[in-house]
Amino acid sequence: RKEVEQDPGPFNVPEGATVAFNCTYSNSASQSFFWYRQDCRKEPKLLMSVYSSGNEDGRFTAQLNRASQYISLLIRDSKLSDSATYLCVVNKGEGNRDDKIIFGKGTRLHILP
Amino acid sequence: GAGVSQSPSNKVTEKGKDVELRCDPISGHTALYWYRQSLGQGLEFLIYFQGNSAPDKSGLPSDRFSAERTGGSVSTLTIQRTQQEDSAVYLCASSLGPSGHLAGNPYNEQFFGPGTRLTVL
Repeated sequence: RKEVEQDPGPFNVPEGATVAFNCTYSNSASQSFFWYRQDCRKEPKLLMSVYSSGNEDGRFTAQLNRASQYISLLIRDSKLSDSATYLCVVNKGEGNRDDKIIFGKGTRLHILP
Repeated sequence: GAGVSQSPSNKVTEKGKDVELRCDPISGHTALYWYRQSLGQGLEFLIYFQGNSAPDKSGLPSDRFSAERTGGSVSTLTIQRTQQEDSAVYLCASSLGPSGHLAGNPYNEQFFGPGTRLTVL
């Protein structure tokens, strides 16, 4: 199993729709989870951290399912500006201060007018 | 405030030449990461620095690649005898502390520079 795995997409979704995608991770010891967003030919930027209890930021909701080892991102009322690649990010889970984070390959999302 | 900066923004070189890429992290950030990204592909981890030391060099693809960091600040990534397959965007990121454990820790967020687009002819 890959350390971090995402459906590459693309997800083609009409404007205003709700879209969700998941990301699975292999190490049950992982503790830190994030979603980053990368626009075409731009650098990645943090979208939101993912907390154990789940968290919401406006139209975006992130969930963590430890039992099944996946995190999810839900986007409600999608906008054209949401078109981007969404990167799932998980810490390696080595339990020391030099533990690093692993980026998934990303899920491409296209919002259609 | 100043973010992560990288130079040059674009580099075109001939196969076999050496190149040096520079990253200036955000002031005070102790952790620094190098990644590369080929067109339409995901991020490929290269190396991670904590201060001046590199606990993880596992991503360097060959011994033609090396990196150093001095004064806990600026880092340079050097590629010797460049090959065409080295063509990619090289991204640098920094964070306040190690971007590993401690869920939700604000130290975890990585801030990326704009990247250096390397083309090897």
